[in-house]
Amino acid sequence: QQQVKQSPQSLIVQKGGISIINCAYENTAFDYFPWYQQFPGKGPALLIAIRPDVSEKKEGRFTISFNKSAKQFSLHIMDSQPGDSATYFCAATTVNTGTASKLTFGTGTRLQVTL
Amino acid sequence: EAGVVQSPRYKIIEKKQPVAFWCNPISGHNTLYWYRQNLGQGPELLIRYENEEAVDDSQLPKDRFSAERLKGVDSTLKIQPAELGDSAVYLCASSLPGDTEAFFGQGTRLTVV
Repeated sequence: QQQVKQSPQSLIVQKGGISIINCAYENTAFDYFPWYQQFPGKGPALLIAIRPDVSEKKEGRFTISFNKSAKQFSLHIMDSQPGDSATYFCAATTVNTGTASKLTFGTGTRLQVTL
Repeated sequence: EAGVVQSPRYKIIEKKQPVAFWCNPISGHNTLYWYRQNLGQGPELLIRYENEEAVDDSQLPKDRFSAERLKGVDSTLKIQPAELGDSAVYLCASSLPGDTEAFFGQGTRLTVV
């Protein structure tokens, strides 16, 4: 059972454009939503994360928008650069007291930023 | 500070053979995870350790997979015997107690032929 659905599967954006990746979740117990960036041959690295008590979080060119009622969240990359070309994974988990539970990942979006 | 270290980076084995992967987490990280990432998919948790204790191994195929984390530091994931469907990247990650951020290693790419 896929608990986190991610779209699109792939995305091509021109340099300077906005990249938008969407995710939807089913488990209402999830309370922590990170985005990971993965370059070929590397492990995923945390990019930005949000908790459901806020609707938006911005860090530099990266913004997460969160809609709790719709159980959806999205990643926006402003002024996309060729160096942003990578695979992006949304994820979700429940944060229990003392430790984080397992991450449930989406299927990934392969982003290519062209010149 | 060194990140999560995994070895080997690549492994090619014939089906029915055993294989083992090793992980050294970031110093001080009590929580250790093993994930499997199939081609074109997101990582899926196999097992999670808190120190030496496996606290979540519900997704680990226990008929052929085993893991250990002696002394609560390094960990080894073993497959015996390997099947063609085990071909994937095996990722190790670690985190501090009570921290939500998991740091991933580069992974071991396993090819079973």
